[in-house]
Amino acid sequence: DVKVTQSSRYLVKRTGEKVFLECVQDMDHENMFWYRQDPGLGLRLIYFSYDVKMKEKGDIPEGYSVSREKKERFSLILESASTNQTSMYLCASRRLRGVPNEKLFFGSGTQLSVL
Amino acid sequence: AQKVTQAQTEISVVEKEDVTLDCVYETRDTTYYLFWYKQPPSGELVFLIRRNSFDEQNEISGRYSWNFQKSTSSFNFTITASQVVDSAVYFCALSEDPGTSYGKLTFGQGTILTVHP
Repeated sequence: DVKVTQSSRYLVKRTGEKVFLECVQDMDHENMFWYRQDPGLGLRLIYFSYDVKMKEKGDIPEGYSVSREKKERFSLILESASTNQTSMYLCASRRLRGVPNEKLFFGSGTQLSVL
Repeated sequence: AQKVTQAQTEISVVEKEDVTLDCVYETRDTTYYLFWYKQPPSGELVFLIRRNSFDEQNEISGRYSWNFQKSTSSFNFTITASQVVDSAVYFCALSEDPGTSYGKLTFGQGTILTVHP
């Protein structure tokens, strides 16, 4: 089975800090995604990547950036964390790009609290 | 733009009851894909089912069944004889044509299902 691993389950940061959330998948998937999950809002797409060094903005990219230097790793960066970025962050990966009927595999999530 | 609506925020049932989770979607594409995911308390989303827009056959898998109706843009999920282990957050999701979106998945707001013993 595919394994998607997020580096931290819980993270507490202060306003203004630069925050890195790391995600690694072990099945050579081309696509990787970052979502945030908030009560009542479901999952909202922040950024996704369809290949190494390639990225696309999702629905809510403001305040975030991403990095994909290697195929297995997709990092989400909060340049200057703010309290409204307190949320659960979910990473996901998928086997083929441009094949929307392929299912996503998700990590367990990182609960980020910005104080 | 695509949109997925799960109007039921929370549902509470007693074990062995049947329960239906509603999902209504909006899309301008004629080719699209619908999904259901389960998120148990552990947090990791688990894939349940995928359905193509051109396949309206209903599907049954054990206690789970799905009713896809293009005429009403709905893709509802029924659990028969619910069990405590079914307690989770359930998400409906929509993916449009790959030529326009790289298969971006849009999720609904989620429905919290609690099954009491």
